[in-house]
Amino acid sequence: AQKITQTQPGMFVQEKEAVTLDCTYDTSDQSYGLFWYKQPSSGEMIFLIYQGSYDEQNATEGRYSLNFQKARKSANLVISASQLGDSAMYFCAMREGLGNAGNMLTFGGGTRLMVKP
Amino acid sequence: NAGVTQTPKFRILKIGQSMTLQCTQDMNHNYMYWYRQDPGMGLKLIYYSVGAGITDKGEVPNGYNVSRSTTEDFPLRLELAAPSQTSVYFCATGSHTTYEQYFGPGTRLTVT
Repeated sequence: AQKITQTQPGMFVQEKEAVTLDCTYDTSDQSYGLFWYKQPSSGEMIFLIYQGSYDEQNATEGRYSLNFQKARKSANLVISASQLGDSAMYFCAMREGLGNAGNMLTFGGGTRLMVKP
Repeated sequence: NAGVTQTPKFRILKIGQSMTLQCTQDMNHNYMYWYRQDPGMGLKLIYYSVGAGITDKGEVPNGYNVSRSTTEDFPLRLELAAPSQTSVYFCATGSHTTYEQYFGPGTRLTVT
């Protein structure tokens, strides 16, 4: 089974509207974390937001928030007030286990977001 | 601080050639990683290291080797390059105190 699934290969959103990018995960670990990274057309990987499995509140970073539903094993990224510069690939990733195991990440296949003016 | 640097940025190899992708960090992070990203796909872990002298395989290690003689450097060696190794290679670092990984700019490799 896929550990990280992103079911939306591509999405359009109108500028200034909010958009939700879906991510579901599969793990049997109690301690894990979910990440979202942005990859613009220039290719670099930009960290957006992190949610730990024991964090009680949903993570927020500026216009980004993570809708973490542990029972459903989903960690959706919400971008509010979309901007043209948000057009990029977005990757969900998971860290499993305790920190001393090296914190390796497993990535989903990505969602390409296109913001329309 | 340069963060994570990778050289070269681009490289074209012929089948059967070998090369080393360089990765250097000045963040004093214990953890270092090599990922590959095939066109239109997510990243997959090739090798990782939790400290100098310690390396371990990731999801897709075949055809690659690594070494970690210092905290700063984590080179990735390709022996006998194959077209299936055409990809973008990212080096990343991480700390044992936080979970965020910091990525280098990537090396785009084409094997023909």
